[in-house]
Amino acid sequence: NAGVTQTPKFRVLKTGQSMTLLCAQDMNHEYMYWYRQDPGMGLRLIHYSVGEGTTAKGEVPDGYNVSRLKKQNFLLGLESAAPSQTSVYFCASSYPLEYGYTFGSGTRLTVV
Amino acid sequence: EDQVTQSPEALRLQEGESSSLNCSYTVSGLRGLFWYRQDPGKGPEFLFTLYSAGEEKEKERLKATLTKKESFLHITAPKPEDSATYLCAGRGGSNYKLTFGKGTLLTVNP
Repeated sequence: NAGVTQTPKFRVLKTGQSMTLLCAQDMNHEYMYWYRQDPGMGLRLIHYSVGEGTTAKGEVPDGYNVSRLKKQNFLLGLESAAPSQTSVYFCASSYPLEYGYTFGSGTRLTVV
Repeated sequence: EDQVTQSPEALRLQEGESSSLNCSYTVSGLRGLFWYRQDPGKGPEFLFTLYSAGEEKEKERLKATLTKKESFLHITAPKPEDSATYLCAGRGGSNYKLTFGKGTLLTVNP
């Protein structure tokens, strides 16, 4: 019962570097989401996917790209990291008519 | 635009001292009001979903209630292990996304 697995758990990037965060779920959920969590800001939706091969923008999509090539995986990419992208990133998944999310344990990203 | 506001931002209780957390929401066509618990360094953990005004749900020392404008998370005789950040979120009628409040940090002292 792995649920939602995020890799890596921690990462430090230099400004301008690129990286990809991986989210994998084993619950056959159709919907997947990427959120960022910052002190005083709460959880904000970056991008989401309603099924394999589909993606859509959330509240704060600028500077991020996503891909959902396989139903179980949702990738979040940073093409040119900026200090403003220092945050804790959470992936979540859900069924279409199941309103609760299952969250991963998060990736703590620091951009210096 | 959907909005969810939680109060207070932080709450400190003595063990056994009951209290309530508030979640005010403006969510068009509400299709679910959710409560999550988040421990430091971990992802949010699902607690409850409420769908209609008047609905109540309970789990151990926690009880969630819903009105047309607010939800309350009542904590009865809390223990130190109830210390966490409690998040409220609403899902609107037109999508499957959740709009989260900023959370209430609950500390229960022994």
